[in-house]
Amino acid sequence: GDSVTQMEGPVTLSEEAFLTINCTYTATGYPSLFWYVQYPGEGLQLLLKATKADDKGSNKGFEATYRKETTSFHLEKGSVQVSDSAVYFCALGSARQLTFGSGTQLTVLP
Amino acid sequence: DVKVTQSSRYLVKRTGEKVFLECVQDMDHENMFWYRQDPGLGLRLIYFSYDVKMKEKGDIPEGYSVSREKKERFSLILESASTNQTSMYLCASSLALATNEKLFFGSGTQLSVL
Repeated sequence: GDSVTQMEGPVTLSEEAFLTINCTYTATGYPSLFWYVQYPGEGLQLLLKATKADDKGSNKGFEATYRKETTSFHLEKGSVQVSDSAVYFCALGSARQLTFGSGTQLTVLP
Repeated sequence: DVKVTQSSRYLVKRTGEKVFLECVQDMDHENMFWYRQDPGLGLRLIYFSYDVKMKEKGDIPEGYSVSREKKERFSLILESASTNQTSMYLCASSLALATNEKLFFGSGTQLSVL
């Protein structure tokens, strides 16, 4: 079945550091790929998405490119801020539901 | 903005109790979902509903049931709560079931079963 494997955390960075959170997937067909973010005490929010191969999703300085050849959708940001501290989930959309990765806790220190 | 409201932020129940978790969305969405979130396991789908009175099992439906009598409300029921059902429960809704459709989440109910 479909699955998402996400880089294990926690990840701790200093402010303005470069961020990469790895995500790879296994799926049949042509899924859509998503990154959701969960800030402390809140539900998940969509951060960005890509619906086909080579698409790049971007939002709030975050980017991820749908790589079919490597079945990956890695999340990147060039310069993180303290306010980016949250849990990040990679997700795959296929058939009628989303399949989520296990989440990566990011802490950014001032 | 879409609002998905879960009735309780924290809930403490005893083993064997019947537990109701309520979720209401205000944007006339067709689809509603119940997930549980556990450390290291991410989100796992319990049940979802694509229309009033319709429901489908997700990946981990055992020990749970759901009810959708009105479009805006989706209830998760634990018939006889057990300690392994201690978890964060997240409700979500979406306009359509298309694979690229955005989900809107509530802020969650942390359930502790003692």
